[in-house]
Amino acid sequence: SQQGEEDPQALSIQEGENATMNCSYKTSINNLQWYRQNSGRGLVHLILIRSNEREKHSGRLRVTLDTSKKSSSLLITASRAADTASYFCAPGQAGTALIFGKGTTLSVSS
Amino acid sequence: GAGVSQTPSNKVTEKGKYVELRCDPISGHTALYWYRQSLGQGPEFLIYFQGTGAADDSGLPNDRFFAVRPEGSVSTLKIQRTERGDSAVYLCASSLTGGPPENSPLHFGNGTRLTVT
Repeated sequence: SQQGEEDPQALSIQEGENATMNCSYKTSINNLQWYRQNSGRGLVHLILIRSNEREKHSGRLRVTLDTSKKSSSLLITASRAADTASYFCAPGQAGTALIFGKGTTLSVSS
Repeated sequence: GAGVSQTPSNKVTEKGKYVELRCDPISGHTALYWYRQSLGQGPEFLIYFQGTGAADDSGLPNDRFFAVRPEGSVSTLKIQRTERGDSAVYLCASSLTGGPPENSPLHFGNGTRLTVT
């Protein structure tokens, strides 16, 4: 099993700005998943991108995957105060449970 | 429909005591996962069930930790002789498919905050 490493550890932006978070991993994957966690709550699944996909969109979220660089990025456009949360990536490897890193803590101020 | 339910939401116990944490997954979800999360850290994998059997228990830190899922639905995480270092939020998640665990989004409960005094 492997975990993703999110970067940066913390990010502070103003409402309306875009937020970009990065994820790196070490070995080959079947897919990569992104999750959000609001304070005091469980994680919420945002998006799953398969290893044969390069980009995926969901609302204001855009995820890219570069398997040659073993990295992924999550872009949140036109951020809102409600986007304030921790964001985790989890590389999906065959037959193993998801392993999470320390996450990126995003603060969006109004 | 109802999401993943964890009870209790908070549990305070004395060092050395035994505790049980319960997880009710989403109905029909065959896979169930336990994680624990310390402040400022990501969730740490403990164990996952496919149906009634533990498919991977490699994350259980030691033999004081044990989990069961006797009927393939509700699961109980049991911790014997609790230590202060066991204090954390224990998260449960479930997923729909019986296929490879990495292919299914996880649905998390809000966790049980365990404090060992």
